[in-house]
Amino acid sequence: QSVLTQPPSVSGAPGQRVTMSCTGSSSNIGAGYDVVWYQQLPGTAPKLLMYSSTNRPSGVPDRFSGSKSATSASLAITGLQAEDEADYYCQSYDTDIGSRVFGGGTKLTVL
Amino acid sequence: HLQLQESGPGLVKSSETLSLTCTVSGGSMTSSTYYWGWVRQPPGKGLEWIGSVHYSGSTYCNPSLKSRVTISVDTSKNQFSLKLSSVTAADTAVYYCARDEMGIAADSWFDPWGQGTLVSVSS
Repeated sequence: QSVLTQPPSVSGAPGQRVTMSCTGSSSNIGAGYDVVWYQQLPGTAPKLLMYSSTNRPSGVPDRFSGSKSATSASLAITGLQAEDEADYYCQSYDTDIGSRVFGGGTKLTVL
Repeated sequence: HLQLQESGPGLVKSSETLSLTCTVSGGSMTSSTYYWGWVRQPPGKGLEWIGSVHYSGSTYCNPSLKSRVTISVDTSKNQFSLKLSSVTAADTAVYYCARDEMGIAADSWFDPWGQGTLVSVSS
């Protein structure tokens, strides 16, 4: 059971906008720690999608955006494409555990 | 561009030590900013950070694994290594190595990643 909670699945049709959440607590996101997002295509290694909660690495389309509020973070994808179908993981730091922690992952299905 | 590649046995016996090496190419490990990390993913499950090492040899690890983990670095070979002792079936996973971008920062990130290597623990 991860300290960062992600919905197991989300879905959307091509062209639509989808969002996925990463819910934490006062010992991680709520303590001011930033959130990282990774995209993991089937059978491949995770790929950095968003760092410091809202920053996109070069090469990541601006269809992807991140946000952070009190104890949670969100990843939004606009103009959904078939190639976006993947697992998405959030990551932060938890002071109670004393470790980097990952969410359980959200599987995005493009209908 | 920077590439990382894991190598090591794909099968380890229960109670023995898992040993993996990550070879870094296309860049040097000796930047003062970066750490170099290990992350694992059990089949069909999520990601777990194992630990990270600086080229100076400084390390920090997930407290849940700390007693069993040794991470070392060999800058002459541009490699870093993971040893995980007393393995059980619960240690069966794909093991990834990755650059820990802002290693000293708790909320650092991993980029890029190696392709991963599956290590199975047999009884």
